[in-house]
Amino acid sequence: GQNIDQPTEMTATEGAIVQINCTYQTSGFNGLFWYQQHAGEAPTFLSYNVLDGLEEKGRFSSFLSRSKGYSYLLLKELQMKDSASYLCAVRDRNFNKFYFGSGTKLNVKP
Amino acid sequence: GAVVSQHPSRVICKSGTSVKIECRSLDFQATTMFWYRQFPKQSLMLMATSNEGSKATYEQGVEKDKFLINHASLTLSTLTVTSAHPEDSSFYICSARGDRGHGGYTFGSGTRLTVV
Repeated sequence: GQNIDQPTEMTATEGAIVQINCTYQTSGFNGLFWYQQHAGEAPTFLSYNVLDGLEEKGRFSSFLSRSKGYSYLLLKELQMKDSASYLCAVRDRNFNKFYFGSGTKLNVKP
Repeated sequence: GAVVSQHPSRVICKSGTSVKIECRSLDFQATTMFWYRQFPKQSLMLMATSNEGSKATYEQGVEKDKFLINHASLTLSTLTVTSAHPEDSSFYICSARGDRGHGGYTFGSGTRLTVV
C-alpha cells in the first residue's frame, strides 16, 4: 500500500522561498512526482525524482531521499500566481500507477 | 507536447441517470489511462486503470458495475457513472503517459459532475 503525508496548508510571502515536505511509505517505489493544482483545474506536472538528490527546474526544485522516504519541493522567488495546491505523488513500481498525497495548499501573500 | 482532452468539463444530471465522460489522447497513443476522483479539498484518489483492448482493473472499494470503463482504442477511454447518486458528485480526472521526457503523466482537464 501507499501512505503519503504532506502538510495541509502553508503561507508564505511574495518573493520569499518556501519548502513543502512530503514523506511516504510505499510497497513499491518508482519515482516521486510533484504537481501543481489550481482550484477547479487538473494538476500540472512540476518536477520528479527517481534517484536521490536535488533536481532543479527554474524556480522549482525537488529533493529526494529514498532511504528516508522523504522529498521536498522548493519554490523560490514566490509569485502570487504560485498560490495553489501542491501534490506529492508516488509512482508504483509494478503498474506505474500514481498515488497522491492529500496536497498542500500554499497561500502567497503580498 | 502530450495533450489529453476530457469532455464534458461540467455536467449536471438527475439522480438515477448515467453520465459518460470521455478522455482522448490527441497526439499520442495511450495504451493505459488512469481514472481519478477528487472530492472537495481532498487529493486525487485512483479509481481504476484502463487498458486498451482489455478489462479495466479497479482499486479496492471502487464498484466496477457502477463505474464502467471502456478503452476501445489507443486514443479513447470512457468512464460511465451509472445510476448516479448525489454522493457521486465529484471531480473526475483522467491521465495518461504521454511525455516520455519526464515519465510523468498528462492529465485531462477534469469533469465536474453534480448529481441532483
